[in-house]
Amino acid sequence: EVQVVESGGGLVKPGGSLRLSCAASGFTFTNAWMNWVRQAPGKGLEWVGHVKSKTDGGTTDYGAPVKGRFTISRDDSKNTLYLQMNSLKTDDTAVYYCTTGLVYSRSAFNFWGQGTMVTVSS
Amino acid sequence: EIVLTQSPGTLSLSPGERATLSCRASQSVSGSFLNWYQQKPGQAPRLLIFGASKRATGLPDRFSGSGSGTDFTLTISRLEPEDFAVYYCQQYGSSPLTFGGGTKVEIK
Repeated sequence: EVQVVESGGGLVKPGGSLRLSCAASGFTFTNAWMNWVRQAPGKGLEWVGHVKSKTDGGTTDYGAPVKGRFTISRDDSKNTLYLQMNSLKTDDTAVYYCTTGLVYSRSAFNFWGQGTMVTVSS
Repeated sequence: EIVLTQSPGTLSLSPGERATLSCRASQSVSGSFLNWYQQKPGQAPRLLIFGASKRATGLPDRFSGSGSGTDFTLTISRLEPEDFAVYYCQQYGSSPLTFGGGTKVEIK
């Protein structure tokens, strides 16, 4: 069974940092492009960014609001995805989902975690 | 960045009625690389349609997707009680990937 489980959320002050993790199982993690998508309270979905598989270059790409502040990385030996968030702003408050597209397309996200809440507040 | 505008913001319908949801892109979505998701309160999104018109495995055939270029549509032919939710479109034809703002389908 495919599973992705996020962890690491919590309360952080503006300007602070936080690292989220996503533990994956039930599929060949090394072949997957892994994504972070967030959802602010009562709002819509926003793509944070992704990291490609190593065989596809292992490169990262980000949405404009987080570029230069957030870093996505992966540890294929641990089947784990990370999101390092620096210089956090109140606008970064959201549920952060780890997601991937395994069956139809790398960017048709058919597996999602339950999300982890990040609250940025003083 | 491709901006996706979904309309209407809210659709109030009764079970058994037809729902037509629109997703308009600010520029052409290459390859019709557009997906639709359903999200219910407290749950992660669920992929319904990929590549504009292809149904995910197990999706009832009352759901259908169509469109190309800048105009896409999700149609639910006859609403079932479990279909009342928020629906999002998402394009992956160009970076950054973007989502529409969502359409809430509520019970009238």
